[in-house]
Amino acid sequence: AQRVTQPEKLLSVFKGAPVELKCNYSYSGSPELFWYVQYSRQRLQLLLRHISRESIKGFTADLNKGETSFHLKKPFAQEEDSAMYYCALPPRVQETSGSRLTFGEGTQLTVNP
Amino acid sequence: DAGVIQSPRHEVTEMGQEVTLRCKPISGHNSLFWYRQTMMRGLELLIYFNNNVPIDDSGMPEDRFSAKMPNASFSTLKIQPSEPRDSAVYFCASSYRRHQEKLFFGSGTQLSVL
Repeated sequence: AQRVTQPEKLLSVFKGAPVELKCNYSYSGSPELFWYVQYSRQRLQLLLRHISRESIKGFTADLNKGETSFHLKKPFAQEEDSAMYYCALPPRVQETSGSRLTFGEGTQLTVNP
Repeated sequence: DAGVIQSPRHEVTEMGQEVTLRCKPISGHNSLFWYRQTMMRGLELLIYFNNNVPIDDSGMPEDRFSAKMPNASFSTLKIQPSEPRDSAVYFCASSYRRHQEKLFFGSGTQLSVL
C-alpha cells in the first residue's frame, strides 16, 4: 500500500541555517509528490509539486527514487518559514471520479531568530 | 471568491452531544474532502465526494460519523454521539477535477469534546 512518512514531528533551526524536512514514501511506479504548508492562522495550502521542478519561497524538493524520498530543502531558513509542513502523495491509479491525497504526519518547523 | 468556508470555527461540546460541522466549497469545484488533523496522526482523510456523491468513506472512524453533500455548494460532517477522542481540527477542502492534486482548504473547525 502506498504510504508517506515524515519522521520528524518537530524541527527547530536558527535563522540563516539550512533546513531539510524529510519525506519518505512507498509507492509502486512513478509518484507525483507534493508539499503543503500551513502557516500560523492561515489555511493549509499547496507549496510545491515535484513535477513542476519549481522553487517556491526558496524551497525546493527533489524526488529521489533510489531512496524513495522527497525531502524539502531551503539553504537559508527565515523566521517566516515557521509553519507545519505536510508531504502528500496521490493514489497510484487516478480514479475516474476524483482523487485523494495521502498526507504524511506533518513536521512543525520553527525558525528561531 | 472567499474560498472554502467552514463553520463554526470553534465548537466546544459535552460528551454525548451531537456535533454538526459545515462546509461550503469553492464555486465550480466538484470534489470535496473532509480531513481530521491531530498531533498524533497528522491529516487523515475521512471521506470525499465527487459531484456530490460519496466516493470513499473508508476513513470515517466509526458509525458515529456521517457526512452528506445534498448539493454542490454544501456539505456537513456529523458526529453523534461525540466523544472526547473526537477532539481535533476538522478541515474541509475542495478541488476542481482538472487540478485534482491542488486542494483548497477551509480554515478548519476546532472541536473540543469535554
